[in-house]
Amino acid sequence: QSVLTQPPSVSGAPGQRVTISCTGSSSNIGAGYDVHWYQQLPGTAPKLLIYGNSNRPSGVPDRFSGSKSGTSASLAITGLQAEDEADYYCQSYDSSLSSFGTGTKVTVL
Amino acid sequence: EVQLVESGGGLVQPGRSLRLSCAASGFTFDDYAMHWVRQAPGKGLEWVSGISWNSGSIGYADSVKGRFTISRDNAKNSLYLQMNSLRAEDTALYYCAKDRGPLPGRDAFDIWGQGTMVTVSS
Repeated sequence: QSVLTQPPSVSGAPGQRVTISCTGSSSNIGAGYDVHWYQQLPGTAPKLLIYGNSNRPSGVPDRFSGSKSGTSASLAITGLQAEDEADYYCQSYDSSLSSFGTGTKVTVL
Repeated sequence: EVQLVESGGGLVQPGRSLRLSCAASGFTFDDYAMHWVRQAPGKGLEWVSGISWNSGSIGYADSVKGRFTISRDNAKNSLYLQMNSLRAEDTALYYCAKDRGPLPGRDAFDIWGQGTMVTVSS
């Protein structure tokens, strides 16, 4: 059972903005621990998208942005593109060390 | 090139054991914590275990605690996962992942291998 809850799916037309929420609790996100985000394209390994709540690794387009507030975090994708169709996971720390979110499938209409 | 390559997966009967390996290259292995993450077919990611740079800090998910043992050999740039008393629910693609920091738990995983498949079935 994941302690981080995400919506199962979100969708948007090319060029639109979509957001994915990651809801935790006072023992993980709310305790001040950082949230990280990963993108998993079909049939591939996960790729780090955002670390430390809002930082992008080198090579990640600035269309991707992250934020955190209270016991939740969000990933925003602006200017949605066909290649953004993938599964997205948040991650944070809790009593069992790392924990991933339930995952969100992004569909580009 | 920074790379992680997993091996050791396969088909195993319930109750038996399996040892996974992860060979690292392209970075200073003993500077970073390392992790195992698994993904059951059609399911999400599940963190399995993590180990600090010097093996001094180790953690396990509740689902594998007491059955799995993580270890590393910094001289060989290698990470291992000894899996005992395997169950059908352990069937998954097992990924090796590099932490951005030396201690497990707080930082992100910036490098991932391609995974090795473990199938537990009679």
